[in-house]
Amino acid sequence: DAGVIQSPRHEVTEMGQEVTLRCKPISGHNSLFWYRQTMMRGLELLIYFNNNVPIDDSGMPEDRFSAKMPNASFSTLKIQPSEPRDSAVYFCASSLALPVYGYTFGSGTRLTVV
Amino acid sequence: QKEVEQNSGPLSVPEGAIASLNCTYSDRGSQSFFWYRQYSGKSPELIMSIYSNGDKEDGRFTAQLNKASQYVSLLIRDSQPSDSATYLCAVFTGTALIFGKGTTLSVSS
Repeated sequence: DAGVIQSPRHEVTEMGQEVTLRCKPISGHNSLFWYRQTMMRGLELLIYFNNNVPIDDSGMPEDRFSAKMPNASFSTLKIQPSEPRDSAVYFCASSLALPVYGYTFGSGTRLTVV
Repeated sequence: QKEVEQNSGPLSVPEGAIASLNCTYSDRGSQSFFWYRQYSGKSPELIMSIYSNGDKEDGRFTAQLNKASQYVSLLIRDSQPSDSATYLCAVFTGTALIFGKGTTLSVSS
């Protein structure tokens, strides 16, 4: 199993530009989560999908953030326009049955907005 | 707001000692609890889960849960330098995991 695959691993962009982060969950996992990690705030839940449907997006910080899951094998997190305070590591995680098995995380995307 | 609290550390222990990591949570209705290990620059990886009061052992790791006190702990026996990492406590809220900010453990040889 290839695990959760995220791309790109690193992204450096200028303020105001659009950024798209990508995630491929583990095959068969029906839940997908996007988190953001910073030193100050730790791991923050942004949005949660179950069976490709967004269930809880209350953690999305602003309208500049949007996420989609068009099918069971692909999700995107988009920031438009990006700001320096968006700089963080963004993790995607998937789960087969969360209360029992927890998550498997992807390798993360380190985003730097200059 | 549901919260998970951990001492940020660093917690420093000598090689071979027992490391004790602690976590408290605010939601009394929480039922599932997880410990993740995160090496610097890497993603979190699952170490253990626990659902019932008491102890759960897996190799050198023991998770302890006390729901009445809303307290979860992780004991690492015979600590090794390779255990040096940040340990994240996570609590299942009914839809997703809420994470503490983690405790950094340093094991010296």
